[in-house]
Amino acid sequence: KAGVTQTPRYLIKTRGQQVTLSCSPISGHRSVSWYQQTPGQGLQFLFEYFSETQRNKGNFPGRFSGRQFSNSRSEMNVSTLELGDSALYLCASSLGRGVNEQFFGPGTRLTVL
Amino acid sequence: DAKTTQPTSMDCAEGRAANLPCNHSTISGNEYVYWYRQIHSQGPQYIIHGLKNNETNEMASLIITEDRKSSTLILPHATLRDTAVYYCIVSQNYGGSQGNLIFGKGTKLSVKP
Repeated sequence: KAGVTQTPRYLIKTRGQQVTLSCSPISGHRSVSWYQQTPGQGLQFLFEYFSETQRNKGNFPGRFSGRQFSNSRSEMNVSTLELGDSALYLCASSLGRGVNEQFFGPGTRLTVL
Repeated sequence: DAKTTQPTSMDCAEGRAANLPCNHSTISGNEYVYWYRQIHSQGPQYIIHGLKNNETNEMASLIITEDRKSSTLILPHATLRDTAVYYCIVSQNYGGSQGNLIFGKGTKLSVKP
């Protein structure tokens, strides 16, 4: 079974731009969660989608948004990029019911200049 | 904030057992103890989870104290590939709306030859 895939793997943007990251979950998984990882703050939860609905949201500004499609694929968008948005963005998928075992993708490394 | 406390770092000799402690004194009755690890530059990987009984799988064993206020992850025969940051997380299972994982700073385990 293929794992979680994320595209692109690396991205360089400048301040003020916006960016869209994509995540394809493991086949059959209906929940997709997004996390941001920085050296200073560690791994922080952004949001979770299940059956195209946002089920949970972390403490991030409204510039961070996401969505999930009917095939469970998910995208997250960051508008008006700031230098502090430079981070590794990780996507994780799970069945969304029962055990909270999440399978993580390799991440997208975003650099904001 | 994370509901767990872990040592910042630990060393272990290759081939020996690695015992990683975790304190979670405020754990609720419906919360499980999960362990994940993150090898450098990769997404986190699920290891094991438990509620109140000891658990074992092909990767590790999890020992939870009777009062559930602490636990220990045991890697029975550590190898160099087990060098990683290990995260102890308390989380509800799915059933309601709880799906996010709250990561602390984890324990950096260094396995040495």
